Amino acid sequence: GEDVEQSLFLSVREGDSSVINCTYTDSSSTYLYWYKQEPGAGLQLLTYIFSNMDMKQDQRLTVLLNKKDKHLSLRIADTQTGDSAIYFCAEAEGAGKSTFGDGTTLTVKP
Amino acid sequence: GAVVSQHPSWVICKSGTSVKIECRSLDFQATTMFWYRQFPKQSLMLMATSNEGSKATYEQGVEKDKFLINHASLTLSTLTVTSAHPEDSSFYICSARSSGNTGELFFGEGSRLTVL
Repeated sequence: GEDVEQSLFLSVREGDSSVINCTYTDSSSTYLYWYKQEPGAGLQLLTYIFSNMDMKQDQRLTVLLNKKDKHLSLRIADTQTGDSAIYFCAEAEGAGKSTFGDGTTLTVKP
Repeated sequence: GAVVSQHPSWVICKSGTSVKIECRSLDFQATTMFWYRQFPKQSLMLMATSNEGSKATYEQGVEKDKFLINHASLTLSTLTVTSAHPEDSSFYICSARSSGNTGELFFGEGSRLTVL
């Protein structure tokens, strides 16, 4: 079945850029998503990219998609302590059935 | 923008009781909704696909008699955890697409169930 892989932990200093990587296996994915989850809270949609796009930028967030390698990355510029959370990569096929990665815990040190 | 709302956001119940969680699409119609479960410090696992007007499709290993899903209208799907036990304690999240197979996918904020 479909599989989404992420590294589990990332630690950066405040003000640095963070890059969270994700690989997926389903070539029929239509949308790829990045979600943020803070402790005890639900999912917050950060951004998403359609599978025919290579890049999407939204303020401090930049998503890069390499469809050939099935590789997705999320770059957070000027990372702040408030960015500390778990970040989930997810892919969705046609009808919306999604597969999530295990999440990357981002720790931002002051 | 389109919103998916879940209710309740947090529920505590005694073992053996049943709990119903609602998932509503507030400004769009959704023929298909999805129910996920998240264990502490783990990722989301798809439980079932809720289909308006027909039976839900359950993922392997999910007990359909334990987790009853009803998608009675184009804007509402319900998940009922029957005879809940402490091991059912989890975070339950639903999602729906805003239109067809290319619309944006929206997630509810989740419902945290604690069974005592």
